[in-house]
Amino acid sequence: QKEVEQNSGPLSVPEGAIASLNCTYSDRGSQSFFWYRQYSGKSPELIMFIYSNGDKEDGRFTAQLNKASQYVSLLIRDSQPSDSATYLCAVNWRGYGGSQGNLIFGKGTKLSVKP
Amino acid sequence: DGGITQSPKYLFRKEGQNVTLSCEQNLNHDAMYWYRQDPGQGLRLIYYSQIVNDFQKGDIAEGYSVSREKKESFPLTVTSAQKNPTAFYLCASSGQDSGNTIYFGEGSWLTVV
Repeated sequence: QKEVEQNSGPLSVPEGAIASLNCTYSDRGSQSFFWYRQYSGKSPELIMFIYSNGDKEDGRFTAQLNKASQYVSLLIRDSQPSDSATYLCAVNWRGYGGSQGNLIFGKGTKLSVKP
Repeated sequence: DGGITQSPKYLFRKEGQNVTLSCEQNLNHDAMYWYRQDPGQGLRLIYYSQIVNDFQKGDIAEGYSVSREKKESFPLTVTSAQKNPTAFYLCASSGQDSGNTIYFGEGSWLTVV
């Protein structure tokens, strides 16, 4: 069974606040975790990936991974209206081609940052 | 510029027609993928290919066909057997030099008229 669960939202935060996006996954053997941002009508673009437990920071974005709890999150600090988009969590599933790690996507969380 | 090019961006299909969506990449990636996205839904894998002349069905392959005759190209044919083809189609690729991270083309919108 392969599932990636996200709260569909919408998640509304004021400009300058921290947005917290959460994702759980079912495959305990998953090793690679990705966050994509998708603007309406556009294709997904990669924001971050994380492989190890703990935090990984890149600018205003921090990915957090807890493999024991099968949980990955994305924090966006100092949220801007331009961050308003749908955020897709993706997890590799070993059932597709082994080490190549094809991805299972969640349905996404819609984030709205209000000026 | 390196990237993934999908064409056409918008396509209309009549009932009973087959249509082919083009996907070309110049990233030298070995693996290529086709996803389908419906409104408010996540991405669902149609087909993927890890090497030339080989491809595998994903979760929703029925009514679709692909070929991988060249490393750079992975066209998707939406056949008349696909009963509900209206969707946003995304081609993607990944390679070892990018840590097997999947990157997407700009997508193709297919509408049945």
